[in-house]
Amino acid sequence: TQLLEQSPQFLSIQEGENLTVYCNSSSVFSSLQWYRQEPGEGPVLLVTVVTGGEVKKLKRLTFQFGDARKDSSLHITAAQPGDTGLYLCAGEGAAGNKLTFGGGTRVLVKP
Amino acid sequence: DVKVTQSSRYLVKRTGEKVFLECVQDMDHENMFWYRQDPGLGLRLIYFSYDVKMKEKGDIPEGYSVSREKKERFSLILESASTNQTSMYLCASNVGGLAGYEQYFGPGTRLTVT
Repeated sequence: TQLLEQSPQFLSIQEGENLTVYCNSSSVFSSLQWYRQEPGEGPVLLVTVVTGGEVKKLKRLTFQFGDARKDSSLHITAAQPGDTGLYLCAGEGAAGNKLTFGGGTRVLVKP
Repeated sequence: DVKVTQSSRYLVKRTGEKVFLECVQDMDHENMFWYRQDPGLGLRLIYFSYDVKMKEKGDIPEGYSVSREKKERFSLILESASTNQTSMYLCASNVGGLAGYEQYFGPGTRLTVT
């Protein structure tokens, strides 16, 4: 069974600060997705990374896929209260068809 | 816009009851998924379906069954609800092929079994 470990589990920061969320595994994934989930809603896709070493930017969010495709990180620059939510990473195995989700990182950005 | 709807946002059932959770998607997606979400555990796949009447077990299928009689509808059934099935249940769908395509989620059903 492929496992994805996210750290930290919870992060509370002030508006304007930076933060990084990590997603690690001992398994190789063919792609990795990051989702954000707000209270009372289902997760919504932020980005998919496919190539080892790939870096994608989405406004103030920077996503990186590790060279070996076993880990990923999400960095938020100058966080805003609207960034508050549960961030989930999800890896697609070689067999496809299924995603393995990490445990999630709950981010709270205080004004 | 893709829309995935779930029949109930909140549900309270008694131990031993049969429970039906319904999910409908309006984008003609081939794949549909049922997850449960528990704090610190992320989303765990219960069952998925890649076509009408087709189903495959996910990582935690015990105590659950599913039905997909129509392409747009995927039902999760708890034959005899137990307290350890108290959880948030999320339905998702995506286009055919690999699940690496974006999954679209419903808002979730929070089920409490007493």
